[in-house]
Amino acid sequence: GAGVSQSPSNKVTEKGKDVELRCDPISGHTALYWYRQSLGQGLEFLIYFQGNSAPDKSGLPSDRFSAERTGGSVSTLTIQRTQQEDSAVYLCASSLFTDTQYFGPGTRLTVL
Amino acid sequence: GQQLNQSPQSMFIQEGEDVSMNCTSSSIFNTWLWYKQDPGEGPVLLIALYKAGELTSNGRLTAQFGITRKDSFLNISASIPSDVGIYFCAGLAGGTSYGKLTFGQGTILTVHP
Repeated sequence: GAGVSQSPSNKVTEKGKDVELRCDPISGHTALYWYRQSLGQGLEFLIYFQGNSAPDKSGLPSDRFSAERTGGSVSTLTIQRTQQEDSAVYLCASSLFTDTQYFGPGTRLTVL
Repeated sequence: GQQLNQSPQSMFIQEGEDVSMNCTSSSIFNTWLWYKQDPGEGPVLLIALYKAGELTSNGRLTAQFGITRKDSFLNISASIPSDVGIYFCAGLAGGTSYGKLTFGQGTILTVHP
């Protein structure tokens, strides 16, 4: 596609359940990023991929969060045993190497 | 860790007025970026600044990369209703943290027709 796509656009889950969020980057972009945006806040860096490897996982808030990227393309962010404080918009971005980052529309996660 | 202080937090202006917002940091950034976010959308890049002292324009938008590399401002001239949204500054430190953007808290802009 022409831009970064994310799915689902909205996810409502119960506390304690696991969720998977998907990101399809712009074709050919080698770098992929995940950010989290809480209500009324700026974006908080979570993890960065260059190809399939993640040289910077420093932003993952706890060991309940993990991410992988396969084939240098699609990435999945997994949150295990979700908590209410995980409720936020999760944004994915991609770039050619570490150039300008283009963002997807985000997945709005609500943990009840 | 690195933090960006963005101000003002919100602005309410009349159509046709000019707007100015800025970001400051306690540490140096090698690249400054300004994004706009509409409701339900991801941020969209408006202007990128790559060199200290650089002044760049994009239509009615003008942004500058501060000489100290610790600040940047964004001006919007002759505002129109479609300028409504949240504006974010972001910095890229480079080096071992290359690729990792640090964002300001955002400026919510409301334009009254």
